[in-house]
Amino acid sequence: DADVTQTPRNRITKTGKRIMLECSQTKGHDRMYWYRQDPGLGLRLIYYSFDVKDINKGEISDGYSVSRQAQAKFSLSLESAIPNQTALYFCATSDGPLQGTQYFGPGTRLTVL
Amino acid sequence: AQTVTQSQPEMSVQEAETVTLSCTYDTSENNYYLFWYKQPPSRQMILVIRQEAYKQQNATENRFSVNFQKAAKSFSLKISDSQLGDTAMYFCAFMKHGAGNMLTFGGGTRLMVKP
Repeated sequence: DADVTQTPRNRITKTGKRIMLECSQTKGHDRMYWYRQDPGLGLRLIYYSFDVKDINKGEISDGYSVSRQAQAKFSLSLESAIPNQTALYFCATSDGPLQGTQYFGPGTRLTVL
Repeated sequence: AQTVTQSQPEMSVQEAETVTLSCTYDTSENNYYLFWYKQPPSRQMILVIRQEAYKQQNATENRFSVNFQKAAKSFSLKISDSQLGDTAMYFCAFMKHGAGNMLTFGGGTRLMVKP
């Protein structure tokens, strides 16, 4: 089984709808991240969390919110989706500052019509 | 803030040949990590190789090696004996030491390995 899972894998929604993307991990890592990937721009950080009570904004947090329900779960919400939020979304986990390596989920392709 | 630049949007190489992907970065930090991630058509982000800035020796993982030039802020990836399975997007990424493991990515290079 995959260590980092994301649901759904693909989603099409309409402008103005609320949508939630979910991420779960079995790696036992405290740190979790949400990134967005757009063509030519690489991945950009939306939000990150060091533990259940520690959530921080990343580079492009406007229009997004997150919830860390447990150590293993980190959800990303779009309160009112807009077309320019069409992108590939990745969740990642990290085993802490000394290691630094991030492990990514399979991604969610979101299309906002 | 750090920036990462990959100046080659697309590259191609013949199977079994060697190819080098370029990456430059801009930072005022002295302690940091650099990474190359591979993204095949499956979309999965796969760690290829990692380099700690304090290490002078270039990292190597099987057919993948890097040329890390700290003074020039350059971090290129060399793929030897290219295989069809190496066809993917390749992303260079920077992480400042102690910054919560946040990655700054380049825009990516699409590599096509031709038979």
